[in-house]
Amino acid sequence: NAGVTQTPKFQVLKTGQSMTLQCAQDMNHEYMSWYRQDPGMGLRLIHYSVGAGITDQGEVPNGYNVSRSTTEDFPLRLLSAAPSQTSVYFCASSREGRKGGQPQHFGDGTRLSIL
Amino acid sequence: QQPVQSPQAVILREGEDAVINCSSSKALYSVHWYRQKHGEAPVFLMILLKGGEQKGHDKISASFNEKKQQSSLYLTASQLSYSGTYFCGTGSDNYGQNFVFGPGTRLSVLP
Repeated sequence: NAGVTQTPKFQVLKTGQSMTLQCAQDMNHEYMSWYRQDPGMGLRLIHYSVGAGITDQGEVPNGYNVSRSTTEDFPLRLLSAAPSQTSVYFCASSREGRKGGQPQHFGDGTRLSIL
Repeated sequence: QQPVQSPQAVILREGEDAVINCSSSKALYSVHWYRQKHGEAPVFLMILLKGGEQKGHDKISASFNEKKQQSSLYLTASQLSYSGTYFCGTGSDNYGQNFVFGPGTRLSVLP
């Protein structure tokens, strides 16, 4: 019963490098999202998806790309890493794509440092 | 727009009560409450939907006043395990539009 799995758990990058944060869920949830968490800022929505093939921007999308080719996977790509992207990244999923009434299940997070 | 949470931090002794407030400048459809322990993922506590309901389980309950666009989380007879940061998340409709989390309230329960 894995739930939401994120990889890697830790990553250090140099400015300008690109990388992909992986997220997979095994609950057949339609809705998936990526958040970043910075001290004192809470969780800020980067991108979300209401189903395979459908993605949309959240509050802080600049510098990030997503795709949703399957129900299970929702990778987050950093195009050209910047120090301002140093953060903890959480992936979450929920049922039926309607966040109004459905609890979100979070992965354990990826701690990313950009030097 | 991010909801406002108050207080920013609170320190309690075991057995004491606490109230955490969450308010928004926008009309709300739902309020979610999550708890996050240090270094861990947020964990869902409860959802309150438009309709002014109150929910609870164990000694943690919450209310939602849609007219005032605010919700309160009540922790009764707090236990050491209640320590963590509590986040409210607010949604303005049922389809995931404009769902945002508050900045969090750090709760510390001391023996």
